[in-house]
Amino acid sequence: QVQLVQSGAEVKKPGASVKVSCKASGYTFTSYYMHWVRQAPGQGLEWMGIINPSGGSTSYAQKFQGRVTMTRDTSTSTVYMELSSLRSEDTAVYYCASSPKMALHLFDYWGQGTLVTVSS
Amino acid sequence: EIVMTQSPATLSVSPGERATLSCRASQSVSSNLAWYQQKPGQAPRLLIYGASTRATGIPARFSGSGSGTEFTLTISSLQSEDFAVYYCQQYNNWPPLFTFGPGTKVDIK
Repeated sequence: QVQLVQSGAEVKKPGASVKVSCKASGYTFTSYYMHWVRQAPGQGLEWMGIINPSGGSTSYAQKFQGRVTMTRDTSTSTVYMELSSLRSEDTAVYYCASSPKMALHLFDYWGQGTLVTVSS
Repeated sequence: EIVMTQSPATLSVSPGERATLSCRASQSVSSNLAWYQQKPGQAPRLLIYGASTRATGIPARFSGSGSGTEFTLTISSLQSEDFAVYYCQQYNNWPPLFTFGPGTKVDIK
C-alpha cells in the first residue's frame, strides 16, 4: 500500500534552516508528483510547492520563493523540503502529499506530518 | 491572486441531520475546486474534486456542487465520524497553484 513517512519533529532557532524528508513506498516513486503543505497551530492549510521526482523540476508558491528548496533522491524514494531563514511564523506541521502526474490536483496520499517549532 | 472564503466558520449539527457548507472564490475557478476533510491530529483527506466528483472510497452521503465562484459541500446525513474541519481548495494544474479556504468546523450540536 502507498505510504509516505516523514521525518521527526524539529526545533530550530530563528534564522536557521530545517530540512524535512518524506519517504515514499508502495508505488513507482517517479510516477507521482509530491506537494508540500503546511499548517500553523490552529490554522488552515497552506500550499508551499511541488516537485516532480522524475526530473527534479519544482514550482514554488510565490510566498516561499527564495526560502524553500525541494529536492529528491530517487535511490531512496525520498523527497526533501528545506526552508531557510526560519522565523516564529514558520512554526507549523509540514505535510508531504502525492499527486498523479496527469492530475496534480489530486492530493490523494499524505504523510503523517512533521512539526517544526521555531523558537529562541 | 485568488482568495477562497468559507462559511460558516463553525456549523453545529446533530447526528443524522444534513450539513451544507459554502465556499466562495474571489474570481472564477471554473470547476477546479476540491474539498478536504481533516480530523484532529490527522492529515487532510481528499473528498471531492472537480467540484462534484467523489474521490475513491468516499461515501455517497458527501456531495459537491457549484462552478465559477460559488460551491457547496453537502453531507446528507451526518455520521459521528464526519465531525471534522472541511477545507475547500481551488487549483490550477499548470502552472501549479493551489489555494485553500480557511475551513469550516462541523461540530456536534
